[in-house]
Amino acid sequence: KAGVTQTPRYLIKTRGQQVTLSCSPISGHRSVSWYQQTPGQGLQFLFEYFSETQRNKGNFPGRFSGRQFSNSRSEMNVSTLELGDSALYLCASSHSTLRVTDTQYFGPGTRLTVL
Amino acid sequence: QQQVKQSPQSLIVQKGGISIINCAYENTAFDYFPWYQQFPGKGPALLIAIRPDVSEKKEGRFTISFNKSAKQFSLHIMDSQPGDSATYFCAASRKTRYSGGGADGLTFGKGTHLIIQP
Repeated sequence: KAGVTQTPRYLIKTRGQQVTLSCSPISGHRSVSWYQQTPGQGLQFLFEYFSETQRNKGNFPGRFSGRQFSNSRSEMNVSTLELGDSALYLCASSHSTLRVTDTQYFGPGTRLTVL
Repeated sequence: QQQVKQSPQSLIVQKGGISIINCAYENTAFDYFPWYQQFPGKGPALLIAIRPDVSEKKEGRFTISFNKSAKQFSLHIMDSQPGDSATYFCAASRKTRYSGGGADGLTFGKGTHLIIQP
């Protein structure tokens, strides 16, 4: 079974621009979560989508948004990019996370650099 | 506020030795504690996980010890091998506060960079 795939793998943008990242979950997985990984703050939860609805969210400004499509694929959008948005953005999929023990499988991430 | 504190930040262990990484949490609502392993250029991968009703869980060379009263848990890697060199993250999760159901996102520790010297 193919793992979680994320595109693009690398991205360079300038301040003020917006960016869209894509995630394809493992086949059959309906939940997609997004995390930001930086050297200073570590791994931080952004939000989670299930059945095309945002079900949970972390502590990030409204510039960070996302959506999920009927095939469970998800996109994450960051508007008005700031230098501090430079990070590795990770997508994780799981069957449903209706159970707290549902394993989250991570993709390789998208490395975003904001200049 | 850092809800899961992980130590040490980096660790060097000789091949065949025992690697020990510790984590402490503050929120008693957490009820699932996974450990993730991350290699350079890869996303984190689940290594082993434990619920608070169990004090220890062992899978191969990896063992989680859990102390609910102290709100601490640790990962022990027995017979450490050079291939174990990676960054390890402890994490915690709980049932969601939102009405949609499911679990809150994972709260991660800051990570431990483990190097196993041959």
